[in-house]
Amino acid sequence: EIVLTQSPGTLALSPGERATLSCRASQRVNTITLGWYQLKPGQVPRLLIYGASNRATGIPDRFSGSGSGTDFTLTISRLEPEDFAVYYCKVYDAAYSFGQGTRLEVK
Amino acid sequence: QVLLVQSGAEVKKPGASVKVSCKASGYTFADYLIHWVRQAPGQGLEWVGVVNPNNGDVDYPQKFRGRVTMTRDTSTTTVYMEVSSLGSEDTAVYYCSRERGATYFFDHWGQGTLVTVSS
Repeated sequence: EIVLTQSPGTLALSPGERATLSCRASQRVNTITLGWYQLKPGQVPRLLIYGASNRATGIPDRFSGSGSGTDFTLTISRLEPEDFAVYYCKVYDAAYSFGQGTRLEVK
Repeated sequence: QVLLVQSGAEVKKPGASVKVSCKASGYTFADYLIHWVRQAPGQGLEWVGVVNPNNGDVDYPQKFRGRVTMTRDTSTTTVYMEVSSLGSEDTAVYYCSRERGATYFFDHWGQGTLVTVSS
């Protein structure tokens, strides 16, 4: 089973700033299986990015994903107030694995 | 529109079983796998398993094999997840979500069902 390690654990930024979230896999992954999800308290997970770099339907273009092999990145170009949440990467390799999450909080 | 509507919150005693339902509507039931994902208090997301509504095939991670059973009822477009031998560590919000076969992303989610295991 692939282990995903997200960093940082917590990221404190201000609205308008750029956020860069990292997801590192314990072994090479199939890029098409790498996704990113946003989770806010009291809400359901929201798909942001699939196939490492494809924005899901309705996701603003300030969200972008990149990476390959073992290293992947979610970038939010200019933070909006509604973007402060916990972000998870997910991958499939015989089973689905989630990273432990990055909490994006207001500085 | 696409809806995944889950059954309500449950409180169970240690050692008991719980069965949570997820009713799908707004799309062709057989075209999408249904996954279950859980989040324990203060913890991250964890994949519990998947059922193929088309043929009933299931897959569970090693951690849950022998303790989780997923089934579907095509007549009511409902998927069920049963967890047996509950322990306190099973206290979590359980979500169902759908994946179009072999696309590897979950695009719609149920509202979540809180399962509390307490003596």
